[in-house]
Amino acid sequence: DAGVIQSPRHEVTEMGQEVTLRCKPISGHNSLFWYRQTMMRGLELLIYFNNNVPIDDSGMPEDRFSAKMPNASFSTLKIQPSEPRDSAVYFCASSPDSGGADTQYFGPGTRLTVL
Amino acid sequence: DAKTTQPPSMDCAEGRAANLPCNHSTISGNEYVYWYRQIHSQGPQYIIHGLKNNETNEMASLIITEDRKSSTLILPHATLRDTAVYYCIVRPKAAGNKLTFGGGTRVLVKP
Repeated sequence: DAGVIQSPRHEVTEMGQEVTLRCKPISGHNSLFWYRQTMMRGLELLIYFNNNVPIDDSGMPEDRFSAKMPNASFSTLKIQPSEPRDSAVYFCASSPDSGGADTQYFGPGTRLTVL
Repeated sequence: DAKTTQPPSMDCAEGRAANLPCNHSTISGNEYVYWYRQIHSQGPQYIIHGLKNNETNEMASLIITEDRKSSTLILPHATLRDTAVYYCIVRPKAAGNKLTFGGGTRVLVKP
């Protein structure tokens, strides 16, 4: 199993540009999560999907952020327009939906720098 | 959400057991205790979880007190590769699989 795959691993962009982060969850997992990590705020949950449906997006900072999961094997997190304060490491995680205490498996992250 | 309290940092000697404490005095009866760790520049990694019984796997042991208000993660023979930030998390049942990460304990394993 390849684990959770994220791309790109590093992204450098200029303020105002659109940024799209991609995630492929582990095959067979029904839940997908997007997290953001910064020095100031630590690890924060942005949004999570269950069976491709957004369940909780209360962590999405503002309208500039949007996430989609068009099918069970792909998700995107888009920032438009990007701002320097969006600079962070963005992690995607997936977990099986077997009920009870499911563990989450994290990808390697995308390090985003907005200049 | 039940909150957790962990020491911000601790050192451990290579080859010795590392005992990482966590307080979760407001834990509810159906909430699990999870431990994850994050090695520098990597994504968080699941270690172990438990409800009320002690648990052991190939990575670590989890000891939960009888009143469930605190727990200890034990790394039996710490290696340099165990240097990481360790997060103790209580999972809110009502929010599905949602995990809320706190500050964690930064563990430095020294030779």
